[in-house]
Amino acid sequence: QKEVEQNSGPLSVPEGAIASLNCTYSDRGSQSFFWYRQYSGKSPELIMFIYSNGDKEDGRFTAQLNKASQYVSLLIRDSQPSDSATYLCAVRVGGSTLGRLYFGRGTQLTVWP
Amino acid sequence: EPEVTQTPSHQVTQMGQEVILRCVPISNHLYFYWYRQILGQKVEFLVSFYNNEISEKSEIFDDQFSVERPDGSNFTLKIRSTKLEDSAMYFCASSLTGQDGYTFGSGTRLTVV
Repeated sequence: QKEVEQNSGPLSVPEGAIASLNCTYSDRGSQSFFWYRQYSGKSPELIMFIYSNGDKEDGRFTAQLNKASQYVSLLIRDSQPSDSATYLCAVRVGGSTLGRLYFGRGTQLTVWP
Repeated sequence: EPEVTQTPSHQVTQMGQEVILRCVPISNHLYFYWYRQILGQKVEFLVSFYNNEISEKSEIFDDQFSVERPDGSNFTLKIRSTKLEDSAMYFCASSLTGQDGYTFGSGTRLTVV
């Protein structure tokens, strides 16, 4: 069973703060890790992906991967009210034919002004 | 920015009826997917499609479901005899390589009554 676990939240941070979102996964064969943002009633929107251990930065977003701990996180710096959404962690397992993703339930983030 | 287009945005159907959900993937993408999300639940994989055939399907994708790419642009999901539990948001997605993070369409909300 390929589980992807996230704290459902809600996570509430003030504007300008750092929001930290966490995700763990069960399959050690997992190779690629994705963070999506989903506004209520809308489709998932890709924020960034990471394949290798360590940090990957893209603007205000930093993804961190630790394969030994089976842990991936997303940091959002200088959080804005427009960042308020549900953040979905998704994992692609090695050998998964042509791109199937396993999603967590998502963490709801609220950024208050 | 290229996008994945889905129609209709909302469909209401009676239990036992057939429905066809339509998608136009991004034009140069080669890999196509259907996912669904029951209200409040995880995004769940249904099927992946490449080179005019199904490459992987989940346990949800039983004999009631089928996919087609009838021409060079459309990608459809058919549910032959809908059940109440098929009520969900259905997302189409496409990918250039099958290994990158793919682009989701805006979704079709299917309500079975």
